[in-house]
Amino acid sequence: QQQVKQSPQSLIVQKGGISIINCAYENTAFDYFPWYQQFPGKGPALLIAIRPDVSEKKEGRFTISFNKSAKQFSLHIMDSQPGDSATYFCAASHNTASKLTFGTGTRLQVTL
Amino acid sequence: GAVVSQHPSRVICKSGTSVKIECRSLDFQATTMFWYRQFPKKSLMLMATSNEGSKATYEQGVEKDKFLINHASLTLSTLTVTSAHPEDSSFYICSAGVSYEQYFGPGTRLTVT
Repeated sequence: QQQVKQSPQSLIVQKGGISIINCAYENTAFDYFPWYQQFPGKGPALLIAIRPDVSEKKEGRFTISFNKSAKQFSLHIMDSQPGDSATYFCAASHNTASKLTFGTGTRLQVTL
Repeated sequence: GAVVSQHPSRVICKSGTSVKIECRSLDFQATTMFWYRQFPKKSLMLMATSNEGSKATYEQGVEKDKFLINHASLTLSTLTVTSAHPEDSSFYICSAGVSYEQYFGPGTRLTVT
């Protein structure tokens, strides 16, 4: 019930391409879905987040698509750049100040 | 805004000693802070949830007598690893909650020799 499944485990994308990472959840009580970006040896940084009352949220090159009926959400990185090479984690929580349930992470490599 | 700091960033200690890690929210007050542990190339594992002025809530399997958490103020939480052993070597990360959002510190690399 508390799991968040993330795929793929790793992803290689050419510069300028679109990176797509998918997550699926089971707990229908989840109502907050953030994405975090983590560089080696650093803490995760909040990238973008969505609430279930909208199906899509865009911030710059980053877009979250949310499908409530399928219990799935995804991160799209447009015009991927080498600087985007990092590990990305999806997460989910419910209620304010509640603990996050993390996906297993996706290592993204953007090649020249 | 929403900056979280951790100190120290790296620490090496001998087996049997205790180590304290500080987590501070620099520009906001956080009623709830979280402590995570992360192994290489793995996801974050929640260790405990810390609320200001009350006892921490530990996740199943986390020894509360070994990982002491104190949340003394709305901007400071500390994690003390007591009687550290090599298996406690890891990357420890804190986060501070503001409404739904959690902001993470830069992490502390603990090496126990």
